[in-house]
Amino acid sequence: GENVEQHPSTLSVQEGDSAVIKCTYSDSASNYFPWYKQELGKRPQLIIDIRSNVGEKKDQRIAVTLNKTAKHFSLHITETQPEDSAVYFCAAKSMNRDDKIIFGKGTRLHILP
Amino acid sequence: EAQVTQNPRYLITVTGKKLTVTCSQNMNHEYMSWYRQDPGLGLRQIYYSMNVEVTDKGDVPEGYKVSRKEKRNFPLILESPSPNQTSLYFCASSLYSGSYNEQFFGPGTRLTVL
Repeated sequence: GENVEQHPSTLSVQEGDSAVIKCTYSDSASNYFPWYKQELGKRPQLIIDIRSNVGEKKDQRIAVTLNKTAKHFSLHITETQPEDSAVYFCAAKSMNRDDKIIFGKGTRLHILP
Repeated sequence: EAQVTQNPRYLITVTGKKLTVTCSQNMNHEYMSWYRQDPGLGLRQIYYSMNVEVTDKGDVPEGYKVSRKEKRNFPLILESPSPNQTSLYFCASSLYSGSYNEQFFGPGTRLTVL
């Protein structure tokens, strides 16, 4: 069935360095790819999203890239700060699946001082 | 304040005792959904609803029921809870059923089934 793979499951980066989280999806009809951030003990919150007709989107220190041919998309965080420490989830939504949304298993990002 | 609320926030129960987790949103959203979050498994969709009286199964619907009689409410029902339903549950809503809408999550309900 439809699947979203997310890597790595855990990532540690030095404060100020960049972090990259990658996701692949199996359903070629997927057309919407949101990223959610979940801080410890909190609810997931949308941080950025991208539609299938766009290759890249940027919002300050975060950016998302999409490669439809390869069916993968990535989250890039530059100049990481302590408040970036959280679990990040990618997701994919497909017009073939009504409104079901499939999430990746999450990446725990640690920003080291 | 625009929000999604869930009750209860924490619940400890025993196997077989029926329970309901309520979810309500005050944003006039059409789409509502339930997820469970388990370590190493991420967020998995249980059920979703595109509008009043319309509900559909997500990826892990077994052992759960939902109803959508009013636009603002989307309760999750466990008729006979079992220990493998111990989890953190999130309700979420978004404006429309179409693809490009942010989902707003509730605060979560931590359920333990003994």
